[in-house]
Amino acid sequence: NAGVTQTPKFQVLKTGQSMTLQCAQDMNHEYMSWYRQDPGMGLRLIHYSVGAGITDQGEVPNGYNVSRSTTEDFPLRLLSAAPSQTSVYFCASSPDRRERPQHFGDGTRLSIL
Amino acid sequence: KNQVEQSPQSLIILEGKNCTLQCNYTVSPFSNLRWYKQDTGRGPVSLTIMTFSENTKSNGRYTATLDADTKQSSLHITASQLSDSASYICVVSLEEAGGGNKLTFGTGTQLKVEL
Repeated sequence: NAGVTQTPKFQVLKTGQSMTLQCAQDMNHEYMSWYRQDPGMGLRLIHYSVGAGITDQGEVPNGYNVSRSTTEDFPLRLLSAAPSQTSVYFCASSPDRRERPQHFGDGTRLSIL
Repeated sequence: KNQVEQSPQSLIILEGKNCTLQCNYTVSPFSNLRWYKQDTGRGPVSLTIMTFSENTKSNGRYTATLDADTKQSSLHITASQLSDSASYICVVSLEEAGGGNKLTFGTGTQLKVEL
């Protein structure tokens, strides 16, 4: 029972590079979301999706894009990496937007030099 | 502004002892309150969820209480074990128009259980 799988676990980028953080869930959950976790701050919502083909912005969406072509996958794209995007990124899923708790992946630790 | 404040920031206790973590919030209108456990290097894992009408919820040695009038919650850990060493995050859900929920996360209490 894999749950929510995030890849890669660690990544180092140079400023200006782009990359995609992968997130996949095998629980047939409709609702998926991306958060970032920074020291001394609570998790902040970047983008979320209430189902395949539907995405929306969260609290801190600038510099990130998402798409949801299937129920299982919800990749997060960094368009042009900046040092301020150094963070730990978590993907989460739940059966619907109101039904929480969310199931979280184990995160991607991203450093931007 | 909707906020969730947790105390203490960090706590060290001896194995076998009990402890209580606090969460105060200003989120309104309130939908539900959750406690998560986050081990180092892992994602958060849900411990309890309480709605407005619930004032206590247990999950094994973890017991959460909620006072919606004073907007306070606590997480009580009984007979602590080394594996309880983790960050405990309080999350309050704000009810949104259209049926959604907006989550406000606390910054967590870092608990260390020592021999």
